[in-house]
Amino acid sequence: NAGVMQNPRHLVRRRGQEARLRCSPMKGHSHVYWYRQLPEEGLKFMVYLQKENIIDESGMPKERFSAEFPKEGPSILRIQQVVRGDSAAYFCASSSAGGTNMGNEQFFGPGTRLTVL
Amino acid sequence: KNQVEQSPQSLIILEGKNCTLQCNYTVSPFSNLRWYKQDTGRGPVSLTIMTFSENTKSNGRYTATLDADTKQSSLHITASQLSDSASYICVVSAGDYKLSFGAGTTVTVRA
Repeated sequence: NAGVMQNPRHLVRRRGQEARLRCSPMKGHSHVYWYRQLPEEGLKFMVYLQKENIIDESGMPKERFSAEFPKEGPSILRIQQVVRGDSAAYFCASSSAGGTNMGNEQFFGPGTRLTVL
Repeated sequence: KNQVEQSPQSLIILEGKNCTLQCNYTVSPFSNLRWYKQDTGRGPVSLTIMTFSENTKSNGRYTATLDADTKQSSLHITASQLSDSASYICVVSAGDYKLSFGAGTTVTVRA
């Protein structure tokens, strides 16, 4: 049973370009979460999605950032017109149900490291 | 504001020695506390999880403690190995899907 998959693992973009980060949850998981990690800081919640629905996007900047989790295919985190401040590691996690009680553990992917030149 | 503070920020220990990492939190309400291990370039992997009624939990050479009254937790690593070199992250949940992450303690084990 493959774990959470993320690609690409490393992404380099120039200022103004678009970045697309992909996340395939664990088999059987329908809940996906995106986090951002800046150097020397803890992971910060960005957005929580279920299949075809955004449940909570309160941690995601309202401009330039968007996320989706279509009925078929991976979840996508899209950053338009990237700036240097977007450089970070972006982690995706998935769970079989919502909430973080004992049975709803979030399993993390290896992350995508975005570098904006 | 929910916060999780970890100390020390980093530490270096010799192979075979023990070490203890600290976590203080102000998350309320409290549901559970997890310790994660994050290897360089990888995602966090869960080591232990404790609810408010548990005050100790072991996973091999890792032992976590929790004092829900003082809102403190510790992670003790026994007989460290080179493979223990990683960042250890304390994560607290208020019961919903939003997790509060500490910044982590970077442990370096030297031969």
